[in-house]
Amino acid sequence: NAGVTQTPKFRILKIGQSMTLQCAQDMNHNYMYWYRQDPGMGLKLIYYSVGAGITDKGEVPNGYNVSRSTTEYFPLRLELAAPSQTSVYFCASTHVSNSPLHFGNGTRLTVT
Amino acid sequence: DAKTTQPPSMDCAEGRAANLPCNHSTISGNEYVYWYRQIHSQGPQYIIHGLKNNETNEMASLIITEDRKSSTLILPHATLRDTAVYYCIVKGNSKLTFGKGITLSVRP
Repeated sequence: NAGVTQTPKFRILKIGQSMTLQCAQDMNHNYMYWYRQDPGMGLKLIYYSVGAGITDKGEVPNGYNVSRSTTEYFPLRLELAAPSQTSVYFCASTHVSNSPLHFGNGTRLTVT
Repeated sequence: DAKTTQPPSMDCAEGRAANLPCNHSTISGNEYVYWYRQIHSQGPQYIIHGLKNNETNEMASLIITEDRKSSTLILPHATLRDTAVYYCIVKGNSKLTFGKGITLSVRP
């Protein structure tokens, strides 16, 4: 199993551009999550999904959108990139809500 | 979810046990204690979790006090590769919420 795969690993965006951060898992996990981590801080939850077709907001959803059309994929969309979205983004998945999360290796995004 | 309190940092000598404390005085009966760590800028790595009994696996031991208001993660023989940020998280049926964690520095 590859686990949780995130692409790209690095990206530089100009203000106002848009992009999609990709996340895929091959463990048939129902729950998937997007977190962001600013320098020196803990992870903050952006969006999560408890299954295909179901998504919900986390702590910091503004400026982001998600979709979950299949179990495997959970892309995160930035429509109008802002410098405040410069961060490291982590995707995670788990089978049931009280099981440990499996994390990807992150996407490092810089908005200038 | 109950909040947790961890000291910002600690260090220990290589080969010695590292005991990382965590307070969670508002924990509810159905909430688990989870520990994750993050090495450099990698994705967090699951270490161990427990409800009320002490737990041990190949990485660490988790000691939870009888009143469940605090816990200790024990790395029995710390190595330089254990230098990382360790997060103590209390979670029920909702989302995993990360604080700032404790930075463990293992010195040679």
